[in-house]
Formats: sequence, C-alpha cells, structure tokens
Amino acid sequence: AQSVTQLGSHVSVSEGALVLLRCNYSSSVPPYLFWYVQYPNQGLQLLLKYTTGATLVKGINGFEAEFKKSETSFHLTKPSAHMSDAAEYFCAVSAAGAGSYQLTFGKGTKLSVIP
Amino acid sequence: NAGVTQTPKFRILKIGQSMTLQCTQDMNHNYMYWYRQDPGMGLKLIYYSVGAGITDKGEVPNGYNVSRSTTEDFPLRLELAAPSQTSVYFCASSYGGQINTEAFFGQGTRLTVV
Repeated sequence: AQSVTQLGSHVSVSEGALVLLRCNYSSSVPPYLFWYVQYPNQGLQLLLKYTTGATLVKGINGFEAEFKKSETSFHLTKPSAHMSDAAEYFCAVSAAGAGSYQLTFGKGTKLSVIP
Repeated sequence: NAGVTQTPKFRILKIGQSMTLQCTQDMNHNYMYWYRQDPGMGLKLIYYSVGAGITDKGEVPNGYNVSRSTTEDFPLRLELAAPSQTSVYFCASSYGGQINTEAFFGQGTRLTVV
C-alpha cells in the first residue's frame, strides 16, 4: 500500500522568503510522486510530478521538488514566496489499481504568505 | 474551453434524500474520477472509470453509485443521504491513468446533509 505524510498542516512564510513544504512517502515499488495546488474555492491543479529520470523536478510558478529515495521524501520548494502562492498544497503518490493508476493524497498543507 | 464542469456548486440535502452530482468533460478523456475532500483529510477516491461502460470502486465507495454511459459524463449518485456525506466533491478527468497524464479537476460541489 502507498501512503503520504505531509509535515505541517499550516505553514506561514513572509513574502520573499523561502517556501519549503515537506512530503514523505511510503511505497513498496518505485513511486510516482506529484504535487498539486488548490486555490480557494477551486479544484486541484498539477504543479509538478516525478516519474523517472532526473530527481530534481521543476514545475509551474517557480516551484521545484527533489526526489530523495534514501530519505523517502519529495519536498516542495520555491526560493521566494509571492502573495499569490497562498493556497493549499497536496502531495500524492501513485498506487496501481485494477486497470488504472490511482493517486493517494496527503492531508494537505495550507500555505499563508505574510506581506 | 470548459474542461471539467460540475453542477451544482452548492447543495443542502436532508437526511434520507437522494441526489445526483453531475460531471461532464469536453477533453475526450478516457479516465474520470470522483473524490471527496474533508477538512484536514486530503482527497479520497470514491469511484473511477477507465472508459464508457466501465467503472470501479475507489477507497470510499459506500453510499454512492456511478455510471458512465458516455465518454463525457460521469454522474455520482447519493442514495439515502447521511450527515457523514457532508463534504466537498471533486470530479476529475485524465487522458490516461494519473501516473502518466495530468488530471484536470472541476471546481467542486459543496454538499451539506442536515
């Protein structure tokens, strides 16, 4: 079974500061990993994903994440926070299902950006 | 382009009532999904479909039913609504499985059962 743990349900950063959102996963097979963002009253939108190959993955809006197998982690970072980054962020891992591939989501981390 | 459209956006149901949450997509995606989102709990998969006429249970299917008669539509039926079904429901679609292709989400239906 796959699982995802997001450390910290709420994270606050100052505008211009580093954003670091933590995600650890467990998987019995090589995982595919994802970060999704949810703006208020919106659906989820894919930020970035890791499938195979380069372990540092770049996504939209200046976000990136690094797959570290030894640490079973896939932390999301952005060098300089912007007010528009305030949202909820979900880490997800793949799980093979019958005829399809499903995602197992973490509980989410709400990011607040302080002006 | 519309993407994934869900209706209604909000609904209040009384215990024991039934309703259908509508979901339609115009991207010709084969895969469609229904999730529920509860505060602090992330998203849980209710049902999914890999094509017209094919559906399967996800993690939390009890109390729900789905059908997929066309590629575009994937309605979610709640029979005998219960307070535990108070949640935000998201429909999503993808061209292939979510490992390899991006899932596109609707804006959600906020359901309250009283």
